[in-house]
Amino acid sequence: EDQVTQSPEALRLQEGESSSLNCSYTVSGLRGLFWYRQDPGKGPEFLFTLYSAGEEKEKERLKATLTKKESFLHITAPKPEDSATYLCAVRTNAGKSTFGDGTTLTVKP
Amino acid sequence: ETGVTQSPTHLIKTRGQQVTLRCSSQSGHNTVSWYQQALGQGPQFIFQYYREEENGRGNFPPRFSGLQFPNYSSELNVNALELDDSALYLCASSRGQGAGETQYFGPGTRLLVL
Repeated sequence: EDQVTQSPEALRLQEGESSSLNCSYTVSGLRGLFWYRQDPGKGPEFLFTLYSAGEEKEKERLKATLTKKESFLHITAPKPEDSATYLCAVRTNAGKSTFGDGTTLTVKP
Repeated sequence: ETGVTQSPTHLIKTRGQQVTLRCSSQSGHNTVSWYQQALGQGPQFIFQYYREEENGRGNFPPRFSGLQFPNYSSELNVNALELDDSALYLCASSRGQGAGETQYFGPGTRLLVL
């Protein structure tokens, strides 16, 4: 069965304190790994898609990387507006999406 | 914001009732997926529709059913509501059914079953 585990469950940072979020996965036939940001009471907002090990994508203060077993979302010099829950999802050859339970990031000014 | 819209935004039902949730996909998208998100958890895949046919389903019972219309909008129907059905229901659309296609989510419908 496909599994996605995100760690830590919650992360509290001071503004400007860089860190990384982890997404470990066990799937058969990975077709894509997706990162989303979700604000309370809202739908997930798309951030990145990664397709193969070694791939990296960047957007503002965020950088996503992918290996054969895990993905990292690096946050450089975060700001309070980066506070949200970050979700990781994998899609397999069967077309099914499996999400992790997310990491809730809080950035204090 | 994405072009995916959902209605209603909130809904309260009692156990045993039936509910219909609606989703309009983003322009140019022909595939719609539905997810259930319980509080504090990640979204759980319910099913996917491509060109009006269901082409993938998660571990949900048959009382969860859906439709996709020729304009690619979609409905999620849940019969015989149970208390555990209380959740945020999310709709996501994509350009195609391919597993590598990016899905864009709507704002969700918050369902409370009493």
